[in-house]
Amino acid sequence: AQTVTQSQPEMSVQEAETVTLSCTYDTSENNYYLFWYKQPPSRQMILVIRQEAYKQQNATENRFSVNFQKAAKSFSLKISDSQLGDTAMYFCAFMAQYGNKLVFGAGTILRVKS
Amino acid sequence: KAGVTQTPRYLIKTRGQQVTLSCSPISGHRSVSWYQQTPGQGLQFLFEYFSETQRNKGNFPGRFSGRQFSNSRSEMNVSTLELGDSALYLCASSLGTGSGNTIYFGEGSWLTVV
Repeated sequence: AQTVTQSQPEMSVQEAETVTLSCTYDTSENNYYLFWYKQPPSRQMILVIRQEAYKQQNATENRFSVNFQKAAKSFSLKISDSQLGDTAMYFCAFMAQYGNKLVFGAGTILRVKS
Repeated sequence: KAGVTQTPRYLIKTRGQQVTLSCSPISGHRSVSWYQQTPGQGLQFLFEYFSETQRNKGNFPGRFSGRQFSNSRSEMNVSTLELGDSALYLCASSLGTGSGNTIYFGEGSWLTVV
């Protein structure tokens, strides 16, 4: 069974600075998908970014980018120019090649300070 | 385009009762999944439905059940409620159930069991 580990329960960053959230996972599969979701206090889960394991290029979405290291089974999220609205719980999630089941990590609370 | 809609948003039930939660997926989406979120267990997959058929099931007791209608709307039911069933129940939808579908979440239904 796949597992996802987020080792940082909480992090804080100053507005406009850069922060990196860590995620490691365990799987025996070669093809799969990885996601970062954001859950603000409203509890709405919002997709931040996705990465296909067969793509070597790291995904980027505006201020959000990932560092995907397939051999190390590592998938970190970098947030540049942090904004107050980035304050939320961030979840790393794994999806096998087939099927729609997401396996989530425990989450990292990110607080952006002004 | 409307997002994933869940009703009711908040409800309080008594131990031993049953509850039904409803989910309307994004228009055109045919796959609906349910997740339970608790402080202790985090986010856990309950089940997925596609074309009115359960495609995948998580590790939950038989008290948890679901179904999907021909218009892709889904309901989940929890019978004989226990205090530990208190949680945020998240519904999610995607276009299909194949490979690497992006999953979109609703705002959730808060269930409190007293």
